[in-house]
Amino acid sequence: SAVISQKPSRDICQRGTSLTIQCQVDSQVTMMFWYRQQPGQSLTLIATANQGSEATYESGFVIDKFPISRPNLTFSTLTVSNMSPEDSSIYLCSVQVGRSTDTQYFGPGTRLTVL
Amino acid sequence: QKEVEQNSGPLSVPEGAIASLNCTYSDRGSQSFFWYRQYSGKSPELIMFIYSNGDKEDGRFTAQLNKASQYVSLLIRDSQPSDSATYLCAVTPNYGGSQGNLIFGKGTKLSVKP
Repeated sequence: SAVISQKPSRDICQRGTSLTIQCQVDSQVTMMFWYRQQPGQSLTLIATANQGSEATYESGFVIDKFPISRPNLTFSTLTVSNMSPEDSSIYLCSVQVGRSTDTQYFGPGTRLTVL
Repeated sequence: QKEVEQNSGPLSVPEGAIASLNCTYSDRGSQSFFWYRQYSGKSPELIMFIYSNGDKEDGRFTAQLNKASQYVSLLIRDSQPSDSATYLCAVTPNYGGSQGNLIFGKGTKLSVKP
């Protein structure tokens, strides 16, 4: 596995603003992902963060709303742009360690509340 | 639409009993199957993964996979109050080699009563 940290752990933001969430891993990992877990719901994949290239977004998620960076193999950011109350959610990064397994491990999450 | 279905519960079992959690999936080509435990306010924690038909045991946990029936289950023996959590079933769909997109069920809430 890997040790994953996220910043901030929680935040309360105003409508129309943006928040950048950071994900740091203690070792180089092949793949990093960003998920959203809305209140009372399960996890939904937002995008795969690709090192050195544009992220791969899932249906229903777009780069303008959720820009993602991954400058190296241990770090990624997710920005939630022009926030609305509907963006209130827990945002989680996950990593896949090694190419021979598709097992994913999750970071502690960022709890976002938009007023 | 690829789906993973779980009974939302709550499933209530007495301490020491066997808890049985079930999951069905729609994509017959699914490759890998995972069980995560999520305590309230926490992130999902990987418990087990299984790739082949049959049973896989790890301590008090046993995962069972039946690809023909598109069914995966998790048994927890000697259930403890600390096992009380939401259990998420996740499946890696068959994307022709593309990995990463875990499809999650909505989870089953387990309550173990002392």
